[in-house]
Amino acid sequence: SQKIEQNSEALNIQEGKTATLTCNYTNYSPAYLQWYRQDPGRGPVFLLLIRENEKEKRKERLKVTFDTTLKQSLFHITASQPADSATYLCALHTGGFKTIFGAGTRLFVKA
Amino acid sequence: ETGVTQTPRHLVMGMTNKKSLKCEQHLGHNAMYWYKQSAKKPLELMFVYSLEERVENNSVPSRFSPECPNSSHLFLHLHTLQPEDSALYLCASSQVVQETQYFGPGTRLLVL
Repeated sequence: SQKIEQNSEALNIQEGKTATLTCNYTNYSPAYLQWYRQDPGRGPVFLLLIRENEKEKRKERLKVTFDTTLKQSLFHITASQPADSATYLCALHTGGFKTIFGAGTRLFVKA
Repeated sequence: ETGVTQTPRHLVMGMTNKKSLKCEQHLGHNAMYWYKQSAKKPLELMFVYSLEERVENNSVPSRFSPECPNSSHLFLHLHTLQPEDSALYLCASSQVVQETQYFGPGTRLLVL
């Protein structure tokens, strides 16, 4: 069956460290993958998009990698801040009209 | 703000009520979406509209009825819901289908 897996356990890190979140998928061949941030009671907010022919994408303190062989994307936040605390969702575009979202990983950055 | 608004933000309804959720996008996009988000579960796509035509109906019960009168507005009409329908309902839009989606703040629905 088709699946997207994000670490369901919350990630706790110290301010200033790099947070790394993982998105694994099976039985998909996504054209591209996106990462969103969601704060409690709010809608997701788009952060980064990476295409299947791209290995890495950066935006300020954010970095995304995409390994279509491993079927995995990693999302990094460098020099993390308490304001980065949120749930981060990965989403796959697999063709057709659907975007498939993972359940998200909750990140807590402690001051 | 993302340019997508949703009303109401909170809604409590009984199982016999009829209510409607409204979504409006101010981004000039041509595609709009309804998602359901339950606690600790992935977003579930419900409906997709492209240029006011429904292009995806993801096996949603008929007690949920979408309406897209124009490319800026999307409604979700609710009728005889069940308690398990309690969730956060999110509207999103994109320039075209499959492009990056911009989400509204959601409507928190509680069915008693």
